[in-house]
Amino acid sequence: AQSVAQPEDQVNVAEGNPLTVKCTYSVSGNPYLFWYVQYPNRGLQFLLKYITGDNLVKGSYGFEAEFNKSQTSFHLKKPSALVSDSALYFCAVREGTYNNDMRFGAGTRLTVKP
Amino acid sequence: GAGVSQSPRYKVAKRGQDVALRCDPISGHVSLFWYQQALGQGPEFLTYFQNEAQLDKSGLPSDRFFAERPEGSVSTLKIQRTQQEDSAVYLCASSHRPGQGEVRGGETQYFGPGTRLLVL
Repeated sequence: AQSVAQPEDQVNVAEGNPLTVKCTYSVSGNPYLFWYVQYPNRGLQFLLKYITGDNLVKGSYGFEAEFNKSQTSFHLKKPSALVSDSALYFCAVREGTYNNDMRFGAGTRLTVKP
Repeated sequence: GAGVSQSPRYKVAKRGQDVALRCDPISGHVSLFWYQQALGQGPEFLTYFQNEAQLDKSGLPSDRFFAERPEGSVSTLKIQRTQQEDSAVYLCASSHRPGQGEVRGGETQYFGPGTRLLVL
């Protein structure tokens, strides 16, 4: 079965600095990878996904992620962090075509300080 | 509406009470998912509907959990005889049917705000 690991519970960066939120995955077939963000008392908001094609995926709010098959990673990045990016970030994976079970990581809390 | 809506947003139940949580998916979305998110954890899959058919209920933790989507739109997650360990946020998500050229399984799921259930 597929699984996702987010090795950092917390990431702190200064406003204007680049940020990286790490995600590694484990699947036996082709991975479909997603990043979501969760603000307090709100549901998950979709940021970006990798299905196939170009390994570098660009998404909402200036975020991007790079699919690295050899390292089984899908790290989320942004060149210049904003205070408003502070939130809880979840990586998720679905395996193959007919698997309905999307597995989420435990989440990484990003804090951007002014 | 423009997005997925869920009601109630908060529910406090006494142990042993039955509860019903409602999800209104995005109009036209054929797929609907329920997830359970415990405090400090990521969401965990409960069940999946395609239109009115419940195609996967492998994530339901016990037979006290029951979900339905009788007309292929609104869905209800029912929990019977609630226990304290049922306390969590219950998230609903919906997605459209894969379009031409899209990969099945790669559709984006759009989430509602969740229902926070507290069982005392």
